Amino acid sequence: DAGVTQSPTHLIKTRGQQVTLRCSPKSGHDTVSWYQQALGQGPQFIFQYYEEEERQRGNFPDRFSGHQFPNYSSELNVNALLLGDSALYLCASSLSQDTQYFGPGTRLTVL
Amino acid sequence: EDQVTQSPEALRLQEGESSSLNCSYTVSGLRGLFWYRQDPGKGPEFLFTLYSAGEEKEKERLKATLTKKESFLHITAPKPEDSATYLCAVRSNDYKLSFGAGTTVTVRA
Repeated sequence: DAGVTQSPTHLIKTRGQQVTLRCSPKSGHDTVSWYQQALGQGPQFIFQYYEEEERQRGNFPDRFSGHQFPNYSSELNVNALLLGDSALYLCASSLSQDTQYFGPGTRLTVL
Repeated sequence: EDQVTQSPEALRLQEGESSSLNCSYTVSGLRGLFWYRQDPGKGPEFLFTLYSAGEEKEKERLKATLTKKESFLHITAPKPEDSATYLCAVRSNDYKLSFGAGTTVTVRA
């Protein structure tokens, strides 16, 4: 049984560019949450998707947007990248509001 | 706003030297307290969920306990493979997970 998968593993972008990160949830899960983790910090909640709708959102600007597809996979889009957006981006999946299981993350570097 | 504070920030242990990690929290309606383990550059790995004060969970050398204001993760007779960052998170009425900054544990052989 495959766990949560994320792509790409690493990504390097320059300021002002746009990026799309992808996540496939664990089999049987219908909810996807995205987190940003800066070096030495705990993950910070960005938003959560359920039934293709954004159900919850953390304190992140509108430059951060997302989407969930009918197969429950999800994308995180970040526009107008800033140096401060450099971080590990984590996707977590769950069955509704049950325990969240995390993927390996995507390391984004903004130059 | 939900707040989670973990202490200490870092813990260096000798193999076999038991210790405890602390997670104190303030939350509007606790819907679960979670412990995760994270290895460098990887995603957090789920360890335990605790729901009510007095609850305890165990897994190998780890034991998590919960009170109304804090949780402890006890590591008994640790081994070098227990070296990792341990993250605590709370879920409140709005079902968002709020994480602490973590405790980095290093176990020397």
